[in-house]
Amino acid sequence: GQSLEQPSEVTAVEGAIVQINCTYQTSGFYGLSWYQQHDGGAPTFLSYNGLDGLEETGRFSSFLSRSDSYGYLLLQELQMKDSASYFCAVVGSGNTGKLIFGQGTTLQVKP
Amino acid sequence: EAQVTQNPRYLITVTGKKLTVTCSQNMNHEYMSWYRQDPGLGLRQIYYSMNVEVTDKGDVPEGYKVSRKEKRNFPLILESPSPNQTSLYFCASSDGSDYGYTFGSGTRLTVV
Repeated sequence: GQSLEQPSEVTAVEGAIVQINCTYQTSGFYGLSWYQQHDGGAPTFLSYNGLDGLEETGRFSSFLSRSDSYGYLLLQELQMKDSASYFCAVVGSGNTGKLIFGQGTTLQVKP
Repeated sequence: EAQVTQNPRYLITVTGKKLTVTCSQNMNHEYMSWYRQDPGLGLRQIYYSMNVEVTDKGDVPEGYKVSRKEKRNFPLILESPSPNQTSLYFCASSDGSDYGYTFGSGTRLTVV
């Protein structure tokens, strides 16, 4: 089977750092992506990890460990506008376009 | 402006009445995909396409059809909609370079 596990909710305060974990079990794996979705909006692409290690894009970083089937999204210097849902997604092997999403983590940033 | 355009944004229809949700992208992307989003279930892939005339089933293809006759368009067809297809639908496209998809604004479909 195929499954991705993420926490359903995370709460943090403005200015803090938060880490959203994602573990996966899939039959084919090419890489791990992260998306942000605000209420009522479309998902927007944040990052992609094809190799083990850390990818940094401004305040956001994403990490992948293929041997542990694990990744995380790290958000630093949290802002109120970061309150949203965050989804990890497995890119299927061969990059055919198959994309399997986790159920999402709702991040609430408090003042 | 680079974008993925879906129409309509909102649709209420009756069971069994065929409908098509259109999706068009202006970025010359090869990859296109359809998802449905339901509370507590995240985004589930319905169909995806690697290029013109190349499509494949995602995780929840039952009750849906797609076609990719042109690179820019990827319509989603519901031949005989049922109430369990009431959902929020997203179309997305990618050039495959960074494996990131650009999503359309979504279509909220209600089947009564």
